[in-house]
Amino acid sequence: NAGVTQTPKFRVLKTGQSMTLLCAQDMNHEYMYWYRQDPGMGLRLIHYSVGEGTTAKGEVPDGYNVSRLKKQNFLLGLESAAPSQTSVYFCASSDYSGKYFGPGTRLTVT
Amino acid sequence: KQEVTQIPAALSVPEGENLVLNCSFTDSAIYNLQWFRQDPGKGLTSLLLIQSSQREQTSGRLNASLDKSSGRSTLYIAASQPGDSATYLCAVKDNAGNMLTFGGGTRLMVKP
Repeated sequence: NAGVTQTPKFRVLKTGQSMTLLCAQDMNHEYMYWYRQDPGMGLRLIHYSVGEGTTAKGEVPDGYNVSRLKKQNFLLGLESAAPSQTSVYFCASSDYSGKYFGPGTRLTVT
Repeated sequence: KQEVTQIPAALSVPEGENLVLNCSFTDSAIYNLQWFRQDPGKGLTSLLLIQSSQREQTSGRLNASLDKSSGRSTLYIAASQPGDSATYLCAVKDNAGNMLTFGGGTRLMVKP
């Protein structure tokens, strides 16, 4: 099993550009999550999904959209990137045994 | 709103020491608590998961305890090694839904 993978690993955007981060898991987990990690603030939940076709807002959803068209994929979209969205983004999936995280995507918005 | 605090924020110890990392949470109505390790520039690796009905979990040199009534968990690392150097995060899952609230982490450095 590859576990949880994220694409891309690094990205630099200019303010106003859009992009989509892809998360994929091969563990057949129902639940998937997107977090952002900023220095001194720990991880904060952006959006999550409890199953294919469903999404829900987390703690800091503004400026992001998500889609879960397939069970194994969870996409995070930035329609108009802002410097405040410079962060490291982590995707995770979970089952009863715990949460499993991807390696992260480092995004810089200039 | 659940708040998770980890103390200390940073810790430096010589190799071989036993050490304790602390995690406290404000709402005791939790589903489970999980300890993670994060290496610089990398993702999170799950270390131990404690269900709300459990008091502790052990894995190798790691032992995590949970006192739900007092809102505290500790991660005990025995005979620390330089390879243990990383940031350790605790996270609490609430009963109501799927929110996982993270502490700010403890940055551990084990010196050879």
